[in-house]
Amino acid sequence: QKEVEQDPGPLSVPEGAIVSLNCTYSNSAFQYFMWYRQYSRKGPELLMYTYSSGNKEDGRFTAQVDKSSKYISLFIRDSQPSDSATYLCAGNSWGKFQFGAGTQVVVTP
Amino acid sequence: DTAVSQTPKYLVTQMGNDKSIKCEQNLGHDTMYWYKQDSKKFLKIMFSYNNKELIINETVPNRFSPKSPDKAHLNLHINSLELGDSAVYFCASSQAGTNDEAFFGQGTRLTVV
Repeated sequence: QKEVEQDPGPLSVPEGAIVSLNCTYSNSAFQYFMWYRQYSRKGPELLMYTYSSGNKEDGRFTAQVDKSSKYISLFIRDSQPSDSATYLCAGNSWGKFQFGAGTQVVVTP
Repeated sequence: DTAVSQTPKYLVTQMGNDKSIKCEQNLGHDTMYWYKQDSKKFLKIMFSYNNKELIINETVPNRFSPKSPDKAHLNLHINSLELGDSAVYFCASSQAGTNDEAFFGQGTRLTVV
C-alpha cells in the first residue's frame, strides 16, 4: 500500500470552474504536506506548503489538511487552461517526501 | 537563474552501459535528493544527502551510486544499465532536510535501449 493515495484522473473541468483535488495518506508521522504542479516534461513546481490541520489560501489556491482523517485537499478557483497539468500531493516526515501518483487536470476553454 | 539544475536533460543509452547524471543547486540548501518518476508518473525517493552525508537510501539496486562532492552537488552514477531503468530522474533540494519543502530540477529523461 502506498503511503499517499491519489486518484490519477484525468479530471476535466470547464474554464472558470473550481478544481477539487484530494489525497489520503496512511503515515501518521507526516507533519508537513505539499502540493506540486507538474507540466508535461517539466519538473514538479511547489504550489502550497502546509503543516497543520486547517486551510491555507494563496491567490486562487486553497489547501486543506485534516489530520484526524488523514485527508488533504487542493482547490483551484476560477480555473484557467494554463492550470492544465498534473497535481501531486506529498507528505513529509523527517526529510522523506512521499508523493501521490498525481492527478491529471484538464481545463477546457 | 536556475535553482536546481540537472544535466543532461535527455540521455539515451544501450543496456549494460554506465552513465552519470549531475545535479547542482544554488539555493544554499543542506539537503539534496534523487527521485525516480516512472511511466505512471509516480515519484519515488531514491536517495537523500544532508551536507554530503547519505541519510536516506531506499531499496534501490546497488548499481545506483550517488556521490556528493559538496553540499551543492549530488550526482547519480548508474552501472550496467537495464531496460527497467528507463524513467525520468529528478534531483531536488531542501533547506534543512527535515520538514522544509523541496524544490525540483527539470529532470533527466533516461531511455535505455
